[in-house]
Amino acid sequence: GAGVSQTPSNKVTEKGKYVELRCDPISGHTALYWYRQSLGQGPEFLIYFQGTGAADDSGLPNDRFFAVRPEGSVSTLKIQRTERGDSAVYLCASSRDRVTDTQYFGPGTRLTVL
Amino acid sequence: GENVEQHPSTLSVQEGDSAVIKCTYSDSASNYFPWYKQELGKRPQLIIDIRSNVGEKKDQRIAVTLNKTAKHFSLHITETQPEDSAVYFCAATASGGSYIPTFGRGTSLIVHP
Repeated sequence: GAGVSQTPSNKVTEKGKYVELRCDPISGHTALYWYRQSLGQGPEFLIYFQGTGAADDSGLPNDRFFAVRPEGSVSTLKIQRTERGDSAVYLCASSRDRVTDTQYFGPGTRLTVL
Repeated sequence: GENVEQHPSTLSVQEGDSAVIKCTYSDSASNYFPWYKQELGKRPQLIIDIRSNVGEKKDQRIAVTLNKTAKHFSLHITETQPEDSAVYFCAATASGGSYIPTFGRGTSLIVHP
């Protein structure tokens, strides 16, 4: 079946602007994760959803970052007042449920803040 | 929280040689340890994983070993091929709480033909 998809693949924006990044998980997966990956680093956890609710948002760096998953499927990561330091690849992953643990990653969105 | 250290950061081998990447973790509650392969510009892909109730798992040329007492686990690739060249990440996940994996910083494996 279809894997995790993310749009857009690339996003270039100016400092101070608002951006939205979208993730479509594998159908039937209840768990969804957002990560941020900087060059030469491993994925850094941002937020985890179980169904529609954010089960753990401890990785969000500050209140400019927010994510939703209103129907328990598609998720949107929202970044307000973007800063140059927000530039990174934003990865989304999904897993069947928390017990299974195995995560399948999307291709990522490369965000560049000028 | 969990802390995962991964070594080496870069590993260069000749085609046909074996490659070993090691990771240590700090949280004794961690019980799930996946390994991901990430080619340049691509998504991380799970290549093998191990749970704390076993000490070793093998899948063709790839194997993972786990030492719970010492809190370290290793990825072993035998008969390396140029297409094995990529960045490999280890991760550790604790069953309590949110199943959030903590990743190592990655190992860039280069297999020379």
